[in-house]
Amino acid sequence: AQTVTQSQPEMSVQEAETVTLSCTYDTSENNYYLFWYKQPPSRQMILVIRQEAYKQQNATENRFSVNFQKAAKSFSLKISDSQLGDTAMYFCAFMDYRGSTLGRLYFGRGTQLTVWP
Amino acid sequence: GAVVSQHPSWVICKSGTSVKIECRSLDFQATTMFWYRQFPKQSLMLMATSNEGSKATYEQGVEKDKFLINHASLTLSTLTVTSAHPEDSSFYICSAEAGASGSYEQYFGPGTRLTVT
Repeated sequence: AQTVTQSQPEMSVQEAETVTLSCTYDTSENNYYLFWYKQPPSRQMILVIRQEAYKQQNATENRFSVNFQKAAKSFSLKISDSQLGDTAMYFCAFMDYRGSTLGRLYFGRGTQLTVWP
Repeated sequence: GAVVSQHPSWVICKSGTSVKIECRSLDFQATTMFWYRQFPKQSLMLMATSNEGSKATYEQGVEKDKFLINHASLTLSTLTVTSAHPEDSSFYICSAEAGASGSYEQYFGPGTRLTVT
């Protein structure tokens, strides 16, 4: 079974600073997807960023970027210019690749990020 | 973007009664829907995967007779908690994927908070 590990239960950062959340995973698959989801206090799951394993280039979405190290099975999330609205639980997730259909998501335990003024 | 709704958003029921939670994809057809359970400050736990027109696939340890899942159409899946007990109190989240459209993304509903008294 695939496992996803987030070793930082809680993190905090000052507004406008940069923070990096860690994630490692274990799989024997070669093709897969990786995601970072954000869950604010409303508890709505929001996709932050995704990465296809076959792409060597790290994904970037505005202030959010990842450092994908396939050999090391590492997938960290960097948040630049942190904003108060970034305060949320962040989940790293792994998805099997099954052609045109989606596989299941495997979630890490989450990292609670607090951005303070 | 794709929108998934859940109804109700919050429900209180008495022990021994049944409660039904609906998950709808509003602007796309979902061939596969997923049901998760989340306890406070914990990660999402996959309960079952449902495909339109077929029986749901339950994760190990999930009682299929207690958590009835029906995926009768491409836009609606329901989770019925039968003979609910206080230990069934939790936050239930559904997600939906758009099928063989090339998308590999799951779209999450806003969740349903179930309280059993």
